[in-house]
Amino acid sequence: DGGITQSPKYLFRKEGQNVTLSCEQNLNHDAMYWYRQDPGQGLRLIYYSQIVNDFQKGDIAEGYSVSREKKESFPLTVTSAQKNPTAFYLCASSATESYGYTFGSGTRLTVV
Amino acid sequence: ELKVEQNPLFLSMQEEKNYTIYCNYSTTSDRLYWYRQDPGKSLESLFVLLSNGAVKQEGRLMASLDTKARLSTLHITAAVHDLSATYFCAGVPEGTYKYIFGTGTRLKVLA
Repeated sequence: DGGITQSPKYLFRKEGQNVTLSCEQNLNHDAMYWYRQDPGQGLRLIYYSQIVNDFQKGDIAEGYSVSREKKESFPLTVTSAQKNPTAFYLCASSATESYGYTFGSGTRLTVV
Repeated sequence: ELKVEQNPLFLSMQEEKNYTIYCNYSTTSDRLYWYRQDPGKSLESLFVLLSNGAVKQEGRLMASLDTKARLSTLHITAAVHDLSATYFCAGVPEGTYKYIFGTGTRLKVLA
């Protein structure tokens, strides 16, 4: 079955450490997105990519980095520059002709 | 810049009662989406509204779109406990694929 997979489900980060969240899709979607959700709040866009080898900053890109070397994959790195990374991270993808998002199951990141 | 606002933020309601969640957006949006999120889970797509006057219904939920008023509503009919969740609306700025989400409405249906 086609879908979008995020891993790990739970991730713990020490102060000053970089961590990478994985997002893989087999839907043949061109566009992929990363959102951050804080408790009791909506989703805020971190980065998005509409084609391979190209990506754009969203509203809260500082302290994060991404790559899009393959159509299927859009990993997100939370760097040590992100001072408050504890949140729920959601990855999504969409086909340009249909626009509807498919969401992954999310990664909960906690700083320890 | 598109901004999306929902109200109320919290809604506690009795079973079998009706209520409406409102989603206002600031500039033209190509389309309007409604999602449901259970605690600790991802988002589940409910409705996509593509044009003025669009109305979609699924079970006890009905969504509508008024593009002139820049308003979408999610109406809950005869609420049941299983509808307890957080509901988000999202708009899409013209010419883009990015969703701009509202802050969500946390609905709790009391038995």
